[in-house]
Amino acid sequence: GENVEQHPSTLSVQEGDSAVIKCTYSDSASNYFPWYKQELGKRPQLIIDIRSNVGEKKDQRIAVTLNKTAKHFSLHITETQPEDSAVYFCAASRGAGGTSYGKLTFGQGTILTVHP
Amino acid sequence: SQTIHQWPATLVQPVGSPLSLECTVEGTSNPNLYWYRQAAGRGLQLLFYSVGIGQISSEVPQNLSASRPQDRQFILSSKKLLLSDSGFYLCAWSGASNQPQHFGDGTRLSIL
Repeated sequence: GENVEQHPSTLSVQEGDSAVIKCTYSDSASNYFPWYKQELGKRPQLIIDIRSNVGEKKDQRIAVTLNKTAKHFSLHITETQPEDSAVYFCAASRGAGGTSYGKLTFGQGTILTVHP
Repeated sequence: SQTIHQWPATLVQPVGSPLSLECTVEGTSNPNLYWYRQAAGRGLQLLFYSVGIGQISSEVPQNLSASRPQDRQFILSSKKLLLSDSGFYLCAWSGASNQPQHFGDGTRLSIL
């Protein structure tokens, strides 16, 4: 089955700096890669996703890049703000392929702390 | 717009007691539904998923079961809870297998 590794497990940055979180996946058939943000005690919320037919996607201060050959994808947050502090999860899925049914395999999460 | 509801928000149960957690989705038809558990720490582990009424697939062997008695209702159950069943249980839905998943607010379950 799919295995997703996420690094680093914790990340501390100063306000205004950039933050990068990296994930690698093992299943070459995976074609959908979402990122979730989870604040303490709350639900994970989808912040950005990318499909395997594109290499990069951007939404304001957040961007995701995908390298299918190397089987890794990264989340980039620019001009970080204290409210960006949360746990971030990457995930991978085969989407509708075969008997996948959209099942997500998650990384173990990164605790991001943005210091004012 | 679509919304997902989970209840209860918190639950404290003794070891050996039964469990029933409910999840409902509004504003969509025939959603894919998923149950995840998040242990203290961080990772989310998929427990069950369903692509239609009465269709349940289990991802890991465990003390839990799931049912989908109606199109937009997903229930997580146990006959006898174990200490290891403690955790944060999250229900999620998607419009189709190639669509994003959206999570409910979760149930925090503590076993004493």
